[in-house]
Amino acid sequence: GAVVSQHPSWVICKSGTSVKIECRSLDFQATTMFWYRQFPKQSLMLMATSNEGSKATYEQGVEKDKFLINHASLTLSTLTVTSAHPEDSSFYICSASSDRAGNQPQHFGDGTRLSIL
Amino acid sequence: GQNIDQPTEMTATEGAIVQINCTYQTSGFNGLFWYQQHAGEAPTFLSYNVLDGLEEKGRFSSFLSRSKGYSYLLLKELQMKDSASYLCAVRDSNYQLIWGAGTKLIIKP
Repeated sequence: GAVVSQHPSWVICKSGTSVKIECRSLDFQATTMFWYRQFPKQSLMLMATSNEGSKATYEQGVEKDKFLINHASLTLSTLTVTSAHPEDSSFYICSASSDRAGNQPQHFGDGTRLSIL
Repeated sequence: GQNIDQPTEMTATEGAIVQINCTYQTSGFNGLFWYQQHAGEAPTFLSYNVLDGLEEKGRFSSFLSRSKGYSYLLLKELQMKDSASYLCAVRDSNYQLIWGAGTKLIIKP
C-alpha cells in the first residue's frame, strides 16, 4: 500500500521551456503533498507543501511564480517549472501523506530528473 | 535554530551490525522518521518513533529518547543492498518535517 506515482521520471529540454511534473497517490487519499528538490550529494530541500483544495505554502526562497503547484484533487498534485533554465536542473521528488496533521509518514514518488540544456 | 545531526558517512561489513545515530534540536517534537535513499532514487520510509523506546521491524530497529534528543537506526545482518543514505527527519511543533543531511552507509564484503 501507500504507492505514489510520479511522472515523468526524466526530462531533458531546452532553456525557456515549461515542464509539468505529476504526482499521484494510487491507493490512498493524499490530503497533503510535498515537493522537494535535491541536488547531487545533498539532502532533500522542501520547496512547498500543498493541501488539497488550498494554495500551496512555499518555503522561503522558492519563487511561487516559477514553481507553480496545483493540488486539485486528493490523488493528484502537479508542479510546473515555468521558463526553466539550466540552474533549475535537479532531481524533483514529490511525497504524499494521508493526513494534514502529519501523523502519517510521507510516501515518496520515484522522482523526476530534470535537465535543462 | 533547528538542527539535526547525523554522521556523514559510515562503513560496515556484510553480515555485521551498524548503528546510525541522529541527534536533534527542534522547536517541539511530534515524531521522528528514518528513510532510506539509494543513490539516484527517492527516499523510502523505514520507521517512525514518537514515544521513547525501541521499534523493531525485521532487520531494522529504531530507538528514540526524547529527553536526550536522540535516536538511532540499527541495521542487523547487513546486506550489500543496504548500501544507501539513511535520512533522519524530525517533525517539529508546527508539524514541519526537518531533514538531516543523511548518512551514507557503505557496506563492504
